[in-house]
Parts: sequence; structure tokens; C-alpha cells
Amino acid sequence: IAGITQAPTSQILAAGRRMTLRCTQDMRHNAMYWYRQDLGLGLRLIHYSNTAGTTGKGEVPDGYSVSRANTDDFPLTLASAVPSQTSVYFCASSDTLRGSPLHFGNGTRLTVT
Amino acid sequence: DAKTTQPTSMDCAEGRAANLPCNHSTISGNEYVYWYRQIHSQGPQYIIHGLKNNETNEMASLIITEDRKSSTLILPHATLRDTAVYYCIVRVLLNYGGATNKLIFGTGTLLAVQP
Repeated sequence: IAGITQAPTSQILAAGRRMTLRCTQDMRHNAMYWYRQDLGLGLRLIHYSNTAGTTGKGEVPDGYSVSRANTDDFPLTLASAVPSQTSVYFCASSDTLRGSPLHFGNGTRLTVT
Repeated sequence: DAKTTQPTSMDCAEGRAANLPCNHSTISGNEYVYWYRQIHSQGPQYIIHGLKNNETNEMASLIITEDRKSSTLILPHATLRDTAVYYCIVRVLLNYGGATNKLIFGTGTLLAVQP
């Protein structure tokens, strides 16, 4: 059972470069989410999507964009990376049934130099 | 969403019950309590959730006080593999999921299970 697959596992990126973090789920969940995790700040929601074709902003959306062309994929794009975007990025998905828990991937560790 | 308060860290002896407290004194009547944990270098893992009744599953038990202002996650027989950061979250759930399922995480409790 794959669940949530994130790629790459880790990446070192020069500041100013464009980067897309990939996220794919095989659970047919309608909702998907991107979080970033930084030491001392816990997990913070970047963007989310209720269903294919819709997206919304979370707590810290600036500098990031997302798209949801289909149910399975939810890529996160950094158009012009900055060092403050160095973080561990987690993708998650959930069913839209009342109370459904989130299922997380194992993260992408991104370092912007 | 209601804010939660958890101790920064706790220790527990292997084989003993681990009791992790969480205060959510501003919780509303329609807000659920969720618990997740994160083992080093992995994504967060769902443990359990509840509204006002105590809940139990194969991983843990959740005890919610009658006034719902606090709760306790109980791992009945802690093992070394239970060493992780445990997050307590409260969230409103509406009939339609999606955006209402987005969870706001705090900084959690680091549970260290000692051999």
C-alpha cells in the first residue's frame, strides 16, 4: 500500500531557482494538503485542496503555488526559491467524510542556498 | 480553532502506560480533539480523535473531561518505538470535509520512552 508518495526525498536548490515538489496519492482522497515543518514552529499549512480543480490558502502561502488538475496529484511550486523556504515539506490527503484523519507522506527535505 | 497547550516533553518507562495531557480550555461544542504523532524523520501519523466520549482503538485511548477543557492520550504499554512528538489538535468538523479537515498543529509533546 503506497498511500502518499512524495518526490524528491531531499533537494539542495540555489536561491532564485524554480522547484516543484511532487505529491501523489493512491487512496482516491478528495482533499490534499501541503505543510512545512521548521524547528520550533511545528507544522504549518501552506495550501490545501478540497477537490480536484479547487485550491485554497493556508497559514503561510506566500512564495508557493499549487495546482490540482486531478484527484491523485497535488504539486507544490516554488517560483523563485529563497533561503527562508529551507524546510521539510509534508503532503497529506484525507477523505471528505466527517472526521476523516489526514494521511501524511514522509516528506521532502529542501535546502535553499 | 481552539488553541491547545501541551507539555514540551515527558518521559515514560518501557512497558508502562504513557499519559499525555492536553489543555484546550477554549474548545467549542462542535470541535473535535485529534491526536497525531511524529516519529523522527517521518510524516505525522493519525492516532485517535473524539468529541466528548472516551475513545479507544488499537493504538491508544483518549479520555476527554466532562467539561471538554482537557484530554489525555493513553498509550497502555509504551515501547521504545513509541518515542515521538505527540500533537493534540482541536478542529471543527462540518458535514463537508476538505477544508474543514485542515489541521493546525502546535509544537507537541516529545515523549521519550526509556528502556
